[in-house]
This record gives sequence, C-alpha cells and structure tokens, in this order.
Amino acid sequence: EPEVTQTPSHQVTQMGQEVILRCVPISNHLYFYWYRQILGQKVEFLVSFYNNEISEKSEIFDDQFSVERPDGSNFTLKIRSTKLEDSAMYFCARAGGPNQPQHFGDGTRLSIL
Amino acid sequence: AQSVTQPDIHITVSEGASLELRCNYSYGATPYLFWYVQSPGQGLQLLLKYFSGDTLVQGIKGFEAEFKRSQSSFNLRKPSVHWSDAAEYFCAVQGSARQLTFGSGTQLTVLP
Repeated sequence: EPEVTQTPSHQVTQMGQEVILRCVPISNHLYFYWYRQILGQKVEFLVSFYNNEISEKSEIFDDQFSVERPDGSNFTLKIRSTKLEDSAMYFCARAGGPNQPQHFGDGTRLSIL
Repeated sequence: AQSVTQPDIHITVSEGASLELRCNYSYGATPYLFWYVQSPGQGLQLLLKYFSGDTLVQGIKGFEAEFKRSQSSFNLRKPSVHWSDAAEYFCAVQGSARQLTFGSGTQLTVLP
C-alpha cells in the first residue's frame, strides 16, 4: 500500500484545459515533491514544497504550474493551460524530513488530447 | 549539478541467478543515494538508501548496494533473482536542495 494516495489515477483532458492533480499523504509529513515521467524518459523533478511554500523548483515548473496545500492535507499540482507535451505520469512524494527518503504514490497518468 | 548514469538499459537474467545493476553518479559533495523499483503501472518503491556510514547497505526484498566513492558508483545486487523481481530499477542521487535526480532506469527481465 502506497504511503501517498494520488487522485485521479488517470486524467484525460483537452489541450488548453486546466487540470488539478491531488496527493494525500497518509501520515502527517511536511515535505512534499512532484515529479513527472514522460513515457520512455527519466523521472524528472518538478517542485518541492515545505511549510506551505515552494522551496525549490525546476526549469520545467514554469508559470503554467502551481502547487498548494489548500486544506492542510491535500497537496495539489495545477496545470493552468495544458499542452500536448504535458502528457506524462505525475508522481507525488513525501518525506518526514529534509534529508529523509522520499516515498512515492502510484502516480496520475495525464493524457492531453 | 548532479547526474546519474545507468549504463544498462535492459538486463536479462535467469531466475535464481545473481544480479548486479550499475549506477554511476556525479555530485560534488557526499551524496545521498537511493535505489527505487517500479513495476508496470505502479509508483516508485524505495529499495534502499545510502546516507553515510557503512558503504554496504541492505534493503528490502533481499537487495543490497555498495557505495564506492573512488568509483562514484552505487551498484545494486541480489544473490538470487526471483521472477517477481522483473521491473524497472532507478538509481537516484539527492542534491543539496533535496530534489532527487534519477538515472534513465534499467529494465530487468527474469527468465524462468
């Protein structure tokens, strides 16, 4: 059983639409991360989030992306206007501390049409 | 910036044979290193980690890995592979900003 629950497991969206991917950690951890894996490519870091703030983001994480933890539990990744190249598996991870191992959810497969 | 190289894209072994998956990293300071496994349609499961101390680390499912600073390597090993070990294996290094940098992965096929 994953230590992080991600919803939905699969999201199909028209290009240009907004999507919100959700992550619910089972335990009360403070460090959260989003990664993506385009089919056949490496897992890539997107953003890290601590204490309700972005602590680090990659070049991929441009203005189309945002993260928040609106209710102190769910951790969301929003893509404002999706592009075809956003099609990928998106993984949420959580950690108990800054140098603790990251534990991943099963991912959300995002398909942009 | 850190990087990870997994030289073997695909490895095939027979069930019961030993396994070694290679990983080389590039990082300026003492690295935090990890191996994850991904089964089809699943997320990334942590197999083992190296932070400091003993350079031979034990993980779940009978896996172990050895950190060799002189070779910038962190190879994953298992003495006897089971059919259920067939999956994709990723080596990763944690940078100063705590993000993980992954290798391209090694796909393991296990023959009966």
